[in-house]
Amino acid sequence: GAGVSQSPRYKVTKRGQDVALRCDPISGHVSLYWYRQALGQGPEFLTYFNYEAQQDKSGLPNDRFSAERPEGSISTLTIQRTEQRDSAMYRCASSRGALSLYNEQFFGPGTRLTVL
Amino acid sequence: AQKITQTQPGMFVQEKEAVTLDCTYDTSDQSYGLFWYKQPSSGEMIFLIYQGSYDEQNATEGRYSLNFQKARKSANLVISASQLGDSAMYFCAMRKGTGANSKLTFGKGITLSVRP
Repeated sequence: GAGVSQSPRYKVTKRGQDVALRCDPISGHVSLYWYRQALGQGPEFLTYFNYEAQQDKSGLPNDRFSAERPEGSISTLTIQRTEQRDSAMYRCASSRGALSLYNEQFFGPGTRLTVL
Repeated sequence: AQKITQTQPGMFVQEKEAVTLDCTYDTSDQSYGLFWYKQPSSGEMIFLIYQGSYDEQNATEGRYSLNFQKARKSANLVISASQLGDSAMYFCAMRKGTGANSKLTFGKGITLSVRP
């Protein structure tokens, strides 16, 4: 079956613009995670959804960042008034559930965001 | 707070030889999971192996094995019979719980280069 997909794969925007990044998880996966990865670093957690409920948003850096998953499937990460420091790879991951420590997270290809 | 430490600089290994990639972690939790992911130059994140904190045996998956030393809080990845395709960045990650605590915390990664 299809893996996690993300769109767009690349996004170049000007400082101050809003951007919306989309994640389409593996069908049937109830858990969805957003991470941000700077060049040469490991991914850093942003937020987590269980179905449509946002259960952890402790990693969102500030109130310019928000995420939603209204129907428990596709998720959108929105960054308002982008700044150059927001430039990074934004990765989405999904898993069947989160009730077991083992539940593997499958990562999407990421969206490379560049803020000029 | 959890912390994953990967301090090795770029690692080099001769094709067909074994290599160990180090990972230490810091947590006060008794129950947690440890993961290794591979990130080739294409950018995807590929799950390699998992070790649960209560697992008595070291995890193995094909050429990958995990040298888990709980008392020392280390979870080193061993790759046997290295192949050219193993050249990539490798990330160690920890998950401290389930549900709303199911996020992964990643280390900074180690770059492995396999020489022919």
